[in-house]
Amino acid sequence: EPEVTQTPSHQVTQMGQEVILRCVPISNHLYFYWYRQILGQKVEFLVSFYNNEISEKSEIFDDQFSVERPDGSNFTLKIRSTKLEDSAMYFCASTYAGQGTYGYTFGSGTRLTVV
Amino acid sequence: DQQVKQNSPSLSVQEGRISILNCDYTNSMFDYFLWYKKYPAEGPTFLISISSIKDKNEDGRFTVFLNKSAKHLSLHIVPSQPGDSAVYFCAAMGAGSYQLTFGKGTKLSVIP
Repeated sequence: EPEVTQTPSHQVTQMGQEVILRCVPISNHLYFYWYRQILGQKVEFLVSFYNNEISEKSEIFDDQFSVERPDGSNFTLKIRSTKLEDSAMYFCASTYAGQGTYGYTFGSGTRLTVV
Repeated sequence: DQQVKQNSPSLSVQEGRISILNCDYTNSMFDYFLWYKKYPAEGPTFLISISSIKDKNEDGRFTVFLNKSAKHLSLHIVPSQPGDSAVYFCAAMGAGSYQLTFGKGTKLSVIP
C-alpha cells in the first residue's frame, strides 16, 4: 500500500537553529499538508499546499515557517529559527482530492526536539 | 477553542463487545467528518468518514453516526478486537477548506 514517508524520524536541534523536515507524499497525490502535535495536545493543522503554492495556513504557520516542493517528489517544512515551543511531532499528509473525501494519508511523523 | 471535543480520554471494552466513541462539535460550518486511528510512533490512519448530508456510514466493523441537530457523531466498532486498541481521533472539515480540526482523542483498550 502506498505510504507517505517522513525523514528523519527524530531530530534534535538547538534553539535558534534552522531545521528542515522532509516528506515524500504518495506519488499521484496532489494536495500536501503539514500538521503537528505537541505532547499531550491535539493534532493541529499548519498548512496545505496545492499546485506549488500555499492553499491555506493556520495562525501557527507564521513567518518562521515555510514549505516547498523542491522537486517532483519531496515536500519540505522549514523552521527558520527554532524555539523551545516548536518541539512536537510533525506529520506530513497528502490526498488526491483536496476535500479529503478519500481520507488523508499521514506519514509516521518527525519528532522535533528543540533544546 | 475546542471546536471538536472528545470528552472521554479513555475507554475499555471487552473483546467481542461494541465500542462506542463519541465526538461533539461546535462549528456549524463543518460539513465533513472523519475518524482516524493512531498507534504509538505512527501517524493517524484514516478509518471512515461521513458527509453532513448523511446520518450513517458503514464500512465493515466500523459505523459512524451523525446527528447534525445535536452536533454529535459517534463511531461504533462491532465486534471489538484487541488490535483495535489505539487512540481514536475525531476530525472535522468545513466546506471549501483543506483544514482538518481534530479532537484530543480517545484511547480505546480492548481487553481479550
